[in-house]
Amino acid sequence: DTGVSQNPRHKITKRGQNVTFRCDPISEHNRLYWYRQTLGQGPEFLTYFQNEAQLEKSRLLSDRFSAERPKGSFSTLEIQRTEQGDSAMYLCASSLEARGRTRDNEQFFGPGTRLTVL
Amino acid sequence: DQQVKQNSPSLSVQEGRISILNCDYTNSMFDYFLWYKKYPAEGPTFLISISSIKDKNEDGRFTVFLNKSAKHLSLHIVPSQPGDSAVYFCAASHFDMKTSYDKVIFGPGTSLSVIP
Repeated sequence: DTGVSQNPRHKITKRGQNVTFRCDPISEHNRLYWYRQTLGQGPEFLTYFQNEAQLEKSRLLSDRFSAERPKGSFSTLEIQRTEQGDSAMYLCASSLEARGRTRDNEQFFGPGTRLTVL
Repeated sequence: DQQVKQNSPSLSVQEGRISILNCDYTNSMFDYFLWYKKYPAEGPTFLISISSIKDKNEDGRFTVFLNKSAKHLSLHIVPSQPGDSAVYFCAASHFDMKTSYDKVIFGPGTSLSVIP
């Protein structure tokens, strides 16, 4: 296992089109996160899955955004009716739930999908 | 409202010298802090972390200092090497009881250039 992978790496689309991104986490990781990163900013949290359950969604995730993680393995992030403001790098990260007193903090990031909406 | 701030967008340091990257936070609930490094075309990678019960954590050339009263932390890299040139993100987290996970907030990043 070589880490978190994301596909596609780049996506150019026209305004109003739908796009879907895929994330394959590290196989034993039960937690998966989606972030969005724009120029000059750090990653901004979008949503979090524990196994197949989506436990939290940021208010950044409008109704046009939907994320799934069927069977608790890979995840998809879909953006419907894309807008130019959706242009950003979309990052996926995964982590293993900590046991005992260890804090579960180290998230492993994929290389991201760069979305450009024309 | 930015809860984690990195006020220096960029920093240049000579090879062999010390690099000091600073970070300030506003939320007193944060109790765990991390630094991530990011190279172009790659995702961020974890570098070092510190719990709020400590004021220093060291890992090789990297040391993180935490000043809770000032809500300030810093990352020291000694000696700096050209391969350290990257964007460094400060991140802070607190445990979310509702969802049972550490909610991580990232700063905007500081781009470090180590000049040979």
